[in-house]
Amino acid sequence: KQEVTQIPAALSVPEGENLVLNCSFTDSAIYNLQWFRQDPGKGLTSLLLIQSSQREQTSGRLNASLDKSSGRSTLYIAASQPGDSATYLCAVPGGMNYGGSQGNLIFGKGTKLSVKP
Amino acid sequence: DTAVSQTPKYLVTQMGNDKSIKCEQNLGHDTMYWYKQDSKKFLKIMFSYNNKELIINETVPNRFSPKSPDKAHLNLHINSLELGDSAVYFCASSQGLAEGGEQFFGPGTRLTVL
Repeated sequence: KQEVTQIPAALSVPEGENLVLNCSFTDSAIYNLQWFRQDPGKGLTSLLLIQSSQREQTSGRLNASLDKSSGRSTLYIAASQPGDSATYLCAVPGGMNYGGSQGNLIFGKGTKLSVKP
Repeated sequence: DTAVSQTPKYLVTQMGNDKSIKCEQNLGHDTMYWYKQDSKKFLKIMFSYNNKELIINETVPNRFSPKSPDKAHLNLHINSLELGDSAVYFCASSQGLAEGGEQFFGPGTRLTVL
């Protein structure tokens, strides 16, 4: 059964610092891995999707890497800003069941990031 | 234009009532989902539908009944609401069940059962 773990659970950094959020998953047979951002009281915003054949994906100041064999992904945020403060979630598809893909996402519990001015 | 929309955004109701949450996506996706985020902020799948066909029902009480009138809509009806049903419910959609396409989420419906 796929399980996703995110470390740390919370992180507080001063503005301008580069930071890394970690995600690990127990079953390496994944189609892709998705990083989301959730602001308080809001929905989830998709940040990056890395396909299983990719090693990394970049969007602006965000860079996500994927190491399938070791069951790990990292989200690197460069030059952090107070507007980056949010909870960051990583998720992988739930895997195969009854001969077909389930498609649903299995989520980690998130890393709550606070960037102080 | 909103890609995945849900109504209502907030729902406050008494125990024992029946309520519905509606979800619509205008992305042309063929797969839709309902997730529940509990008080500890943990997100967990409830249902998924592919081309209007139920794919997953993750040990959800049968008081919860999803209905998909067409590929663009997946509504959630809840009977006999209980205190433990209080949570935020998110609808999501993606294209291609087998390929595990990128999922897009709605803004959520915060349900409070008194």
